[in-house]
Amino acid sequence: RKEVEQDPGPFNVPEGATVAFNCTYSNSASQSFFWYRQDCRKEPKLLMSVYSSGNEDGRFTAQLNRASQYISLLIRDSKLSDSATYLCVAPRDYKLSFGAGTTVTVRA
Amino acid sequence: EAQVTQNPRYLITVTGKKLTVTCSQNMNHEYMSWYRQDPGLGLRQIYYSMNVEVTDKGDVPEGYKVSRKEKRNFPLILESPSPNQTSLYFCASSLRGLAGEREQFFGPGTRLTVL
Repeated sequence: RKEVEQDPGPFNVPEGATVAFNCTYSNSASQSFFWYRQDCRKEPKLLMSVYSSGNEDGRFTAQLNRASQYISLLIRDSKLSDSATYLCVAPRDYKLSFGAGTTVTVRA
Repeated sequence: EAQVTQNPRYLITVTGKKLTVTCSQNMNHEYMSWYRQDPGLGLRQIYYSMNVEVTDKGDVPEGYKVSRKEKRNFPLILESPSPNQTSLYFCASSLRGLAGEREQFFGPGTRLTVL
């Protein structure tokens, strides 16, 4: 089983819609998690950190469910500029495990 | 400007010809790492370094070498490249390698093709 697994999508949503997707992790010892955004094979950039039960930053909400070992990302009021691939990351000691990414396409 | 730089950005080479991809950061970060990204597989960590002269294997270290002689530089060496090393490579750095201080700052990527 992979350390971090994500639904690859694509999630194709209209502007203004809400979209949510999950990331499951296998290492129950992981304490912190991260969501990165990657545009078209460019470098990933940090979107949000998740240290406890969840985190909210504007239209983005990340939630952590330790019992079921998953993290979710919810995007409200989607914008065209939200079209990207979203990568879930779980640290393991000094290593980092990335999910393969969830692709979101927001259409006008 | 705080940044991670990689060179070259694009490289086409032939099997067996040794190459080095350089990575440099100007943020005084302790932790640096190399990843490769392949379709459907996501980012996989090749090697990481917690500080000068301290390196360790990631998940896919076979066929790669690294060194960390200076804090700012972390070159990736392919002694004898093979076609299965054709990939998009990212270097990244962070302040430390401890959980909770893990925002990774990525370089722009190096697209390597091995013929």
